[in-house]
Amino acid sequence: SQTIHQWPATLVQPVGSPLSLECTVEGTSNPNLYWYRQAAGRGLQLLFYSVGIGQISSEVPQNLSASRPQDRQFILSSKKLLLSDSGFYLCAWSVTGIRGYTFGSGTRLTVV
Amino acid sequence: AQSVTQPDIHITVSEGASLELRCNYSYGATPYLFWYVQSPGQGLQLLLKYFSGDTLVQGIKGFEAEFKRSQSSFNLRKPSVHWSDAAEYFCALNRDDKIIFGKGTRLHILP
Repeated sequence: SQTIHQWPATLVQPVGSPLSLECTVEGTSNPNLYWYRQAAGRGLQLLFYSVGIGQISSEVPQNLSASRPQDRQFILSSKKLLLSDSGFYLCAWSVTGIRGYTFGSGTRLTVV
Repeated sequence: AQSVTQPDIHITVSEGASLELRCNYSYGATPYLFWYVQSPGQGLQLLLKYFSGDTLVQGIKGFEAEFKRSQSSFNLRKPSVHWSDAAEYFCALNRDDKIIFGKGTRLHILP
C-alpha cells in the first residue's frame, strides 16, 4: 500500500537560518507531489507541485524553493527563513488529481 | 477564476444532532469535488469525493455530500455527530491536477 512520510514533525528555527523539509512516498511510481502551507485562518495554500523528477512549478512567489531529486522524494527549502514562513507544512501526493490527494502528517514550523 | 467558498468559519452542534457544512464552488465545467477532515496538528484525511454520476456521495465515518449544480454547492452532512467529529473540514475542487481548498470550517461539538 502507498504511504507518505514527512519529517520532522515540529521544527523551531531562528530567523535567517536555512530550512530543509523532506517528504517521501512509498508504494507508487511517478506520483504528482505537492507542498502546501497552512497558516492560521488562511486555509491551505499550494506552494509547489511536481509531476516528475526535476520538474517543479511554483504557485506563489515566496522565500521558499522545492526540489525533486528522486521520483518519490520532494524537498522544501529556504536559504534564510523569515518570521512569515511560520506555519504548518503539508506534503501530498496523487497519481492523478481527480482521485484526490493523500497527505502527510505535516511539519509545524515556528520561526523565532 | 475557480474557487471554493466555505461561508461558515465555525459551527457548533450538540452531540447527536445533525450536521450540515456548506460549500460553494466556482468552476466553468463539471468540477471534481472533495471533502477533507483535519484533526488538530494532523494531516488531512479524505472523507469523500464527487466526480460524476449519482449526486449523493457516501463517504467514510458516516458522512455524505450532495452535489447540486444549480446551486454550485457540495454540502457535507451527517445525521448524528459524535464528539470525535470535532475537527476542521475542508471542501476542495480539482483544477488542472491541483486541488484548490476552501478556508475550512471548524466544527465544535457540545456534550
